[in-house]
Amino acid sequence: EDQVTQSPEALRLQEGESSSLNCSYTVSGLRGLFWYRQDPGKGPEFLFTLYSAGEEKEKERLKATLTKKESFLHITAPKPEDSATYLCAVRNSGGSNYKLTFGKGTLLTVNP
Amino acid sequence: EPEVTQTPSHQVTQMGQEVILRCVPISNHLYFYWYRQILGQKVEFLVSFYNNEISEKSEIFDDQFSVERPDGSNFTLKIRSTKLEDSAMYFCASSGIKGGEQYFGPGTRLTVT
Repeated sequence: EDQVTQSPEALRLQEGESSSLNCSYTVSGLRGLFWYRQDPGKGPEFLFTLYSAGEEKEKERLKATLTKKESFLHITAPKPEDSATYLCAVRNSGGSNYKLTFGKGTLLTVNP
Repeated sequence: EPEVTQTPSHQVTQMGQEVILRCVPISNHLYFYWYRQILGQKVEFLVSFYNNEISEKSEIFDDQFSVERPDGSNFTLKIRSTKLEDSAMYFCASSGIKGGEQYFGPGTRLTVT
């Protein structure tokens, strides 16, 4: 069974204070690791897809990296508008590989 | 920018009643999904749908649940006899290709009393 564990559960930063969120996964053949942002009461908003170890993707202040066991979401000089829950999800290569398995997320709060 | 839309945003129903949650996926997408998120818990996969049939479903998606694409734009989730534990946010998602990123709608909050 696929498992996704995110840490920390919550992270509070000052504006401009860079940090990283962790996503550890166990999957029978990775067919994609996905990062989403979720604002309160809203649906997940797609950020990145990573497919192979060593891959990196960047978008504004966010950079996602991938190893064989985990992924990191690096946040550089965050702003208050980056406050949200960040979700990690994996898809495996078995079965019909449609579903995403999500972690519980990291609640990020950026104080001005 | 194209987006997934869902209606209603909030549905309150009594236990045992039937509900239909509606979704309009992104127009050129071919793969459709339903997920749910119980308050404070993970987003959980329910079902995927392609070419007018279910392609994968979870153990949550039992006989009380059904999905349908009644026309060229809508995708629906029906719960035949709601239970208290069905209370959750229900998200519709779509993707353009198999294995591609899934784009989520804003969700329907279902409250069963």
